[in-house]
Amino acid sequence: GAVVSQHPSWVICKSGTSVKIECRSLDFQATTMFWYRQFPKQSLMLMATSNEGSKATYEQGVEKDKFLINHASLTLSTLTVTSAHPEDSSFYICSAPDYTQETQYFGPGTRLLVL
Amino acid sequence: GENVEQHPSTLSVQEGDSAVIKCTYSDSASNYFPWYKQELGKGPQLIIDIRSNVGEKKDQRIAVTLNKTAKHFSLHITETQPEDSAVYFCAASKEYSSASKIIFGSGTRLSIRP
Repeated sequence: GAVVSQHPSWVICKSGTSVKIECRSLDFQATTMFWYRQFPKQSLMLMATSNEGSKATYEQGVEKDKFLINHASLTLSTLTVTSAHPEDSSFYICSAPDYTQETQYFGPGTRLLVL
Repeated sequence: GENVEQHPSTLSVQEGDSAVIKCTYSDSASNYFPWYKQELGKGPQLIIDIRSNVGEKKDQRIAVTLNKTAKHFSLHITETQPEDSAVYFCAASKEYSSASKIIFGSGTRLSIRP
């Protein structure tokens, strides 16, 4: 069945560096993808909507210059956390709707730890 | 925007008993209500969903009910088993639109006592 993958599954970086997380739809094309952030023992909070070929739409309170989103193809969206700080440490999850299957698939998540 | 409230936040039931999780939503335009199970360190997995043209849906030990008028929906798990222990999230969405983003409830940590 359709699968959404994320890479890397986990990453540790130093404060001030940038980290790129990839989200891929493996069996279907996704013109739209969503990025979520989940802090420990909390719910998934939508950060932004990634649109293929156009700018991402960010939720209120999410800094677009800090969380850069690029949706360069119909199967790939990337989230870059720029100048990461310890408070950016979190579990980042992407999702992609497959409208032909009437289902939205979630990736396995990427755990980011900023030291 | 949409707001989804979920309760209880934690739930402990004896193995074999039933578990019920309840949610409410605020946006009457929402028409798709999925439920997810999340195990530690993993992404959420869809376990059942219901659309606004249906009042109830069942899949083996799992059932979901929807009351559109009251904007309530619930998850029922019968004959609970140890592997049902996880965090469960309800969610709401306006499906089939460019705004089909899924808004999650706060989650319920379900523990099954042996």
